[in-house]
Amino acid sequence: GAGVSQTPSNKVTEKGKYVELRCDPISGHTALYWYRQSLGQGPEFLIYFQGTGAADDSGLPNDRFFAVRPEGSVSTLKIQRTERGDSAVYLCASSPTTGSSTDTQYFGPGTRLTVL
Amino acid sequence: DAKTTQPTSMDCAEGRAANLPCNHSTISGNEYVYWYRQIHSQGPQYIIHGLKNNETNEMASLIITEDRKSSTLILPHATLRDTAVYYCIVRVGTGGFKTIFGAGTRLFVKA
Repeated sequence: GAGVSQTPSNKVTEKGKYVELRCDPISGHTALYWYRQSLGQGPEFLIYFQGTGAADDSGLPNDRFFAVRPEGSVSTLKIQRTERGDSAVYLCASSPTTGSSTDTQYFGPGTRLTVL
Repeated sequence: DAKTTQPTSMDCAEGRAANLPCNHSTISGNEYVYWYRQIHSQGPQYIIHGLKNNETNEMASLIITEDRKSSTLILPHATLRDTAVYYCIVRVGTGGFKTIFGAGTRLFVKA
């Protein structure tokens, strides 16, 4: 079946602009995660959704970052007033259950964001 | 959250077994050990996970020490396509479900 998809695959924007990154999880997966990965580092947790609600947003770096999942499927990560330090690959993952220790997360290919 | 320690990089000859170690000395009793890998320009890919028993699947084997303070991921016959960054992760057992990745081990499989 189809895996996690993310659009766009690449996004170039200018400092100060607003961007939206989209994630389509695997159909039926209730849990959805956003991560950010800088060059040479492992993915860094941003936020986790269980259904429509953000169950853990402790990884969001500041209030410029916001994510929604209004119908419990597709999610959008929104970044306001982008800064050059926001440049990274943004990864989305989904998992099938309600988030136990045995959940396996399935990752998308990521969106490479470049802020000029 | 339990933290993991992995070597920065390792080499392996094609066709030989690749043994990737991981230390997780502060792991809690209800926390699982997960392994993911990330091939260049792709998202991380699940490999295997375990609690305390050794596990095997079509991709790899996972050996967990009896005290659960360390584990080893074994790729039995490494190929060039196994060149990737391998992440050893301990999942948060309570209070949330975020996954904390370290820097991982960069495995180079050489012909």
